[in-house]
Amino acid sequence: GAVVSQHPSWVICKSGTSVKIECRSLDFQATTMFWYRQFPKQSLMLMATSNEGSKATYEQGVEKDKFLINHASLTLSTLTVTSAHPEDSSFYICSARRSAGASSYNEQFFGPGTRLTVL
Amino acid sequence: SQQGEEDPQALSIQEGENATMNCSYKTSINNLQWYRQNSGRGLVHLILIRSNEREKHSGRLRVTLDTSKKSSSLLITASRAADTASYFCATGTNQAGTALIFGKGTTLSVSS
Repeated sequence: GAVVSQHPSWVICKSGTSVKIECRSLDFQATTMFWYRQFPKQSLMLMATSNEGSKATYEQGVEKDKFLINHASLTLSTLTVTSAHPEDSSFYICSARRSAGASSYNEQFFGPGTRLTVL
Repeated sequence: SQQGEEDPQALSIQEGENATMNCSYKTSINNLQWYRQNSGRGLVHLILIRSNEREKHSGRLRVTLDTSKKSSSLLITASRAADTASYFCATGTNQAGTALIFGKGTTLSVSS
């Protein structure tokens, strides 16, 4: 159990277009999902925290109007990169948190990632 | 945001040798986790160690945690070419809704 999927796995788009990435928890409910971005040869940087039914919380330096996050259900969060530019080309990884009780650790399950290339 | 540094940034060894990677962090944690990432691929969870644990083993992996020094180490024994990957530590809390924060990672190359 505890599988997280992402779709698409890779996408190429033209500069100025918008791209939507889906993150799904397949066999559990995720009240919280997280979006990370990873540039080549770098680590994962947290972009935003997405809670079901409420507005996402963005990390400092991440433009909320550019990276639109919607967490409409307990199994789906979407990240839309609006008016994408070449500098937005990156590997986007989502994760979902399954609460396992107050005494448990922060259990996060990661999706396989989406590679975005903006031409 | 990132917790801290991993060292070395890059490590090259021969098959059969041991590889040790270190991770330092800045804030109080509930747990520390190690992940592997092959080039261009997703994350593979390796091992988790809780803040009240000092050492943990899993197969050829040995992880230590020193909360007084805010540091952890990952030892891979008898390395194989297939261990070639980037390794990241990530720290977590038990606060609801908080994300894992990743270190900068160590790139390990194991040559045969």
